[in-house]
Amino acid sequence: AQTVTQSQPEMSVQEAETVTLSCTYDTSESDYYLFWYKQPPSRQMILVIRQEAYKQQNATENRFSVNFQKAAKSFSLKISDSQLGDAAMYFCAYRRGTQAGTALIFGKGTTLSVSS
Amino acid sequence: DGGITQSPKYLFRKEGQNVTLSCEQNLNHDAMYWYRQDPGQGLRLIYYSQIVNDFQKGDIAEGYSVSREKKESFPLTVTSAQKNPTAFYLCASSSLRVGTEAFFGQGTRLTVV
Repeated sequence: AQTVTQSQPEMSVQEAETVTLSCTYDTSESDYYLFWYKQPPSRQMILVIRQEAYKQQNATENRFSVNFQKAAKSFSLKISDSQLGDAAMYFCAYRRGTQAGTALIFGKGTTLSVSS
Repeated sequence: DGGITQSPKYLFRKEGQNVTLSCEQNLNHDAMYWYRQDPGQGLRLIYYSQIVNDFQKGDIAEGYSVSREKKESFPLTVTSAQKNPTAFYLCASSSLRVGTEAFFGQGTRLTVV
């Protein structure tokens, strides 16, 4: 079975600084997708970024980027130029790539606080 | 606007009662999911459905039941057999295209009183 581990329950960063959230996963599959979701205090889950395992290039979305290390099964999220609005819980998630409609498997989350 | 609607936002249940959480989507997604969120536990899968009239148990299905009579709707019933039902419940949907993300509703907070 696939598992997702987020080893940092809490992280903090100052405005305008950069922070990296860690995520590791365990799978025997070669085809899969990885996601980072943000859950602000409103509790609405918002997709931040997505990575296809077959792509070597790291995904980037504005201030958000990932460091995808397939051999190490690592998928960290880097937030640059942090803003107060980035304060939220962040979840790393895995999805199998060989079967449509399978559920996402989530880590336990990292709570990010941002100070001014 | 397309999206997923969960209702109610807050729900209170007396011990021994069954309650049903509503989830409706107008995204034309085939797959729908129910997750439970507890502090420090992340999101855990309760049930999911990839097609009407079919669904599969997730990791924590005991004490829950679902139905999928319509593509748009995937209600979750929390039965009296669920020993610790107080939690935040999230409904999600996705297309069947491989690798697509899931879209989430705003959640229902269930409290046992």
